Amino acid sequence: AQSVTQLGSHVSVSEGALVLLRCNYSSSVPPYLFWYVQYPNQGLQLLLKYTTGATLVKGINGFEAEFKKSETSFHLTKPSAHMSDAAEYFCAVSDSNTGNQFYFGTGTSLTVIP
Amino acid sequence: NAGVTQTPKFQVLKTGQSMTLQCAQDMNHNSMYWYRQDPGMGLRLIYYSASEGTTDKGEVPNGYNVSRLNKREFSLRLESAAPSQTSVYFCASITGLRRAFFGQGTRLTVV
Repeated sequence: AQSVTQLGSHVSVSEGALVLLRCNYSSSVPPYLFWYVQYPNQGLQLLLKYTTGATLVKGINGFEAEFKKSETSFHLTKPSAHMSDAAEYFCAVSDSNTGNQFYFGTGTSLTVIP
Repeated sequence: NAGVTQTPKFQVLKTGQSMTLQCAQDMNHNSMYWYRQDPGMGLRLIYYSASEGTTDKGEVPNGYNVSRLNKREFSLRLESAAPSQTSVYFCASITGLRRAFFGQGTRLTVV
């Protein structure tokens, strides 16, 4: 069965510091991996996705993530946090066994300290 | 471009009442989904529709029914609301490349 684990339900960083949000997945076949961001009282927006090819994926707002098959990880990073990055972040997995179904992690709330 | 539109945005129900959450997308996608979001639990799939005329259960379907009225619309019905159904509900429309577009959500409180 597919699953997603996000380590750390709350992460705080100082403005300008590195952002690292962790995601590990389980999938019996090659996965599609996603990061979504949710701002308060809004729906989820796609930050970036990995399907095939290059394992380092660049997304919007300066975020990127690296697919590491050996570690079954897809951690999200941003070199320098901005106040506007404060939001909830969700990792999700989908694969050919699940059709178009997505399995979401429980989310990580990012706080940026001025 | 409206994308995915959900109505209503907020709703308070009494236990036992029924209601229908509406969702419409204007992107001509085949797949539409209903999720509920609860604190500390992420998003859980209630029902989905891979194409017009088909619906399937997700992880947490009990207490809900759905209708894929046409390609644009996918509604979620609570026949007899319970406090455990207090949640934020999201509709999503998904492309063939597995990109999901979400609505703004419906905040439902059952008292």
